[in-house]
Amino acid sequence: AQTVTQSQPEMSVQEAETVTLSCTYDTSESDYYLFWYKQPPSRQMILVIRQEAYKQQNATENRFSVNFQKAAKSFSLKISDSQLGDAAMYFCAYSLKETSGSRLTFGEGTQLTVNP
Amino acid sequence: DTEVTQTPKHLVMGMTNKKSLKCEQHMGHRAMYWYKQKAKKPPELMFVYSYEKLSINESVPSRFSPECPNSSLLNLHLHALQPEDSALYLCASSQVTGAGYGYTFGSGTRLTVV
Repeated sequence: AQTVTQSQPEMSVQEAETVTLSCTYDTSESDYYLFWYKQPPSRQMILVIRQEAYKQQNATENRFSVNFQKAAKSFSLKISDSQLGDAAMYFCAYSLKETSGSRLTFGEGTQLTVNP
Repeated sequence: DTEVTQTPKHLVMGMTNKKSLKCEQHMGHRAMYWYKQKAKKPPELMFVYSYEKLSINESVPSRFSPECPNSSLLNLHLHALQPEDSALYLCASSQVTGAGYGYTFGSGTRLTVV
């Protein structure tokens, strides 16, 4: 079974600084997807960034980037120039490529606080 | 339209009540999902519908009954719930074969069972 581990229950960062959230996962598959989702107090889960396992290039979305280390099964999220609106619970998630709907396996989450 | 709409946003029900949660999307996604989320925990998968057919049931108690009447709608019928069923219920949708593009989630229904 696939598992996702986020070892940092809480993190904090100063506004405009950079923070890195850690995620490791365990799988015997070679082709899969990895995601970071953000869940602010409004409750809606928002996709931040995605990575396809067969692509070696790290994904980037504006201030968000990942460090994907496939051999080490590591998938960390870097947030640059942190903003107050980045404060949220961040979940790392894993999904296989399936043809009948894909289940997401989530980590336990990291609560990010952004200090002004 | 790039949204998943869930109604109601809040629901309080007694243990003998019958209620339904509704979820709607118009993105042409043919996979739809129900997740249950307890406070400060990750979402837990309950059901997956693919092309309006139930493809995954994660051994959810029968007091939760899902229904997918068409490709845009997903319901979760609730009956004889227990207080421990109080949680945030999230609906999501995705492309069936391209779920790697990620899910689109609704903002959830906060359910309280009294």
